[in-house]
Amino acid sequence: EILMTQSPATLSVSPGERATLSCRASQLITNNLAWYQQKPGQTPRLLIYGASTRATGIPARFSGSGSGTEFTLTISSLQSEDFAVYYCQQYINWPYTFGRGTKLEIK
Amino acid sequence: QVQLVQSGAEVKKPGSSVKVSCEASGGSFSNYAISWVRQAPGQGLEWMGGIIPMFGTPHYAQKFQGRLTISADESTSTAYMDLSSLRSEDTAVYFCARGTIVGPTHYWFSDVWGRGTLVTVSS
Repeated sequence: EILMTQSPATLSVSPGERATLSCRASQLITNNLAWYQQKPGQTPRLLIYGASTRATGIPARFSGSGSGTEFTLTISSLQSEDFAVYYCQQYINWPYTFGRGTKLEIK
Repeated sequence: QVQLVQSGAEVKKPGSSVKVSCEASGGSFSNYAISWVRQAPGQGLEWMGGIIPMFGTPHYAQKFQGRLTISADESTSTAYMDLSSLRSEDTAVYFCARGTIVGPTHYWFSDVWGRGTLVTVSS
């Protein structure tokens, strides 16, 4: 089973600033990495797949990068609606494991 | 636009089983991967298993082997998740989620999610 490790667990950032979230895979996953956003009481929302491709309707301030085992989600100029929990998921091999999430909170 | 409609909340006794359904409406079903993901209260997302209905063979996370059965009925565009020998730690919201197809390739990341079914296990 591929272990996905996200850091930090909690990130405090001021609105308008940039947030950088990390995800590390325990094995090579090439670019088979997705990012999701989840707000309290809501279902997860796909943001990024293929490590760097934005899903339909996702604003350009969200960008993904990385390959192999190290990945980054960057949110430039944080908006109030961006404060949420973010999960990465590998989909190269089942079980298609998630990271434990990074909570992005308002500083 | 496809929607995944899940069955309603359940309260179960320890040791019993629960079966949650997930009906796809408004779009294709058989050729897309369907994952089951659960989220315990205040916790993260956990991929349990999944199936591509047209192929019929489910995949399970090792943690759930022997307790989890995932199936799909193409005639009704409905997927099912059956979890047995329930214990309190199985209290969670259970989501079904649809994968994606790009060209000939099935992908297991999910762009469409059901609203979740709360399963509470309590004596």
